[in-house]
Amino acid sequence: SQQGEEDPQALSIQEGENATMNCSYKTSINNLQWYRQNSGRGLVHLILIRSNEREKHSGRLRVTLDTSKKSSSLLITASRAADTASYFCATDDASPYDMRFGAGTRLTVKP
Amino acid sequence: EAQVTQNPRYLITVTGKKLTVTCSQNMNHEYMSWYRQDPGLGLRQIYYSMNVEVTDKGDVPEGYKVSRKEKRNFPLILESPSPNQTSLYFCASSFRRGDGYTFGSGTRLTVV
Repeated sequence: SQQGEEDPQALSIQEGENATMNCSYKTSINNLQWYRQNSGRGLVHLILIRSNEREKHSGRLRVTLDTSKKSSSLLITASRAADTASYFCATDDASPYDMRFGAGTRLTVKP
Repeated sequence: EAQVTQNPRYLITVTGKKLTVTCSQNMNHEYMSWYRQDPGLGLRQIYYSMNVEVTDKGDVPEGYKVSRKEKRNFPLILESPSPNQTSLYFCASSFRRGDGYTFGSGTRLTVV
């Protein structure tokens, strides 16, 4: 079963705008990660935020984590057409399983 | 170049014909996993391995087998494939549990 659920399922914006995607999860986690997937290709790790962190930055990416609400957001600033991809959150929780992924947000950035 | 290599990239097979999808990583990672990706369902974990000779079931292990005889290799075996195993499969590895994964390029399997 999935742990993280991304919202929205799809997002379409103009180049230069900011894109915000959200992830909600159900159980306590050790960390949460965001990945990008270009159509049909392997996922690429973007950023990892630990349960004791509230915010993290990497280039144009900003990730926040609110463990009280069991939610995270990924902000991509000044988006580019090359940011068009699906974005997934993944959680490492205390379950026997390894990383669990959500169904993803499909981002389209129009030039 | 640090990478996870899956083969084949594409495979069409018939129901019941045993097949193996290979996965190899050159980063000395302890953790390896197999996922399948289906439209609307995201990635679901099939099996994972914490180290050599240590494997465990994920969310959807039925119909699959794995082995981890060497640290670098983690093949996925379908003993008797069925059409509901038609999917996009990914192998992934990380140095330890909870680290960011490095993914392979994927194997698109069609079972007819």
